[in-house]
Amino acid sequence: NAGVTQTPKFQVLKTGQSMTLQCAQDMNHEYMSWYRQDPGMGLRLIHYSVGAGITDQGEVPNGYNVSRSTTEDFPLRLLSAAPSQTSVYFCASSYSTGVSTDTQYFGPGTRLTVL
Amino acid sequence: AQSVTQLDSQVPVFEEAPVELRCNYSSSVSVYLFWYVQYPNQGLQLLLKYLSGSTLVKGINGFEAEFNKSQTSFHLRKPSVHISDTAEYFCAVSDPRTGRRALTFGSGTRLQVQP
Repeated sequence: NAGVTQTPKFQVLKTGQSMTLQCAQDMNHEYMSWYRQDPGMGLRLIHYSVGAGITDQGEVPNGYNVSRSTTEDFPLRLLSAAPSQTSVYFCASSYSTGVSTDTQYFGPGTRLTVL
Repeated sequence: AQSVTQLDSQVPVFEEAPVELRCNYSSSVSVYLFWYVQYPNQGLQLLLKYLSGSTLVKGINGFEAEFNKSQTSFHLRKPSVHISDTAEYFCAVSDPRTGRRALTFGSGTRLQVQP
């Protein structure tokens, strides 16, 4: 199993550009999430999904869109990049215990710089 | 509101000394608790988790944590650290705001093991 994969690993954008961060998992996990990591702030939840066709907002959703057409893929779209979106982005996937997310498996991250 | 507080942003310690990394959470409902480790320029890896049962949880690499419901704490301990334990450690809880389908993270504690 490849686990959780993310592409690209690094990206530099100019303000106003759009792009999609890719995330895929091959573990047949129901839950997938996107987090951003900023110094001194830990990881903050952007969007999450509990299955194909179902997504919801997390703590910091503004400026980002997601969709989940398959169990395996959960892309994150930046509509119009801003310098405040400079961050490291992590995708994660997990099983459910029935009442909660269980262990989340993280991808290696995408380091995004917006100039 | 759900929150996770890691009381120490940095913990310097000498090799072979014991260490405790502190984590407190606030929640009006029961939550699942996790500790993750992040080595430099890598993603997050699960150290241990508490879902139910025994309040003393053992994880990988000799780490353990104790769930204390009355104190709402989940402190991480290791009796003797190695240089290779130098990393950032994150405490996380399953977030009731997302129906426990994603995690809320603390701001992280950087463990620096010195020879």
